[in-house]
Amino acid sequence: EAGVAQSPRYKIIEKRQSVAFWCNPISGHATLYWYQQILGQGPKLLIQFQNNGVVDDSQLPKDRFSAERLKGVDSTLKIQPAKLEDSAVYLCASSLRRAHGDTQYFGPGTRLTVL
Amino acid sequence: DQQVKQNSPSLSVQEGRISILNCDYTNSMFDYFLWYKKYPAEGPTFLISISSIKDKNEDGRFTVFLNKSAKHLSLHIVPSQPGDSAVYFCAASAVKEGNTPLVFGKGTRLSVIA
Repeated sequence: EAGVAQSPRYKIIEKRQSVAFWCNPISGHATLYWYQQILGQGPKLLIQFQNNGVVDDSQLPKDRFSAERLKGVDSTLKIQPAKLEDSAVYLCASSLRRAHGDTQYFGPGTRLTVL
Repeated sequence: DQQVKQNSPSLSVQEGRISILNCDYTNSMFDYFLWYKKYPAEGPTFLISISSIKDKNEDGRFTVFLNKSAKHLSLHIVPSQPGDSAVYFCAASAVKEGNTPLVFGKGTRLSVIA
């Protein structure tokens, strides 16, 4: 079974530029998550999708971050414009459903550096 | 306001000995707890979990203990192996509007010395 795929693996941009990350979850997983992991911290949930609908975006900085999962499969996270403090690893995860016992499987992440 | 705390940034253990990683939480609504393991340049991988209705869960060399009254959980690895060297994240969740968002601690870097 293929795991969660993410691209690109690394991205370096200047502040105020835009950037987009892509995620393809495990086949059949209805729930998709985007996390931000700043160096020295644990992952922080940004947004959670159930199929193609948003179920939790309470921690997403909506003035600059956006995400979509139009067909309920792959997803894109965008930052526009980027700030220095957005430098982090962006992790995508997926699970079969959103219940307690449903393991979240993580992709390798995209490391973003904002200069 | 950190709801899940891992107060030891790092831990070194000799191969074959026991590794004990600790985690404290503040939110009494948390009812499910997990440990994830992370190698460099990889995403976290699920290791073991425990529901709040239990106080112990065991899976091979890994055992998680939960003390609800103290709001404390720990992960025991026996015996420790060099391949266990990684960053370990404690995570907790509570049902919130039908969802179960994970809240992670900052992680503990475990080094197992051969």
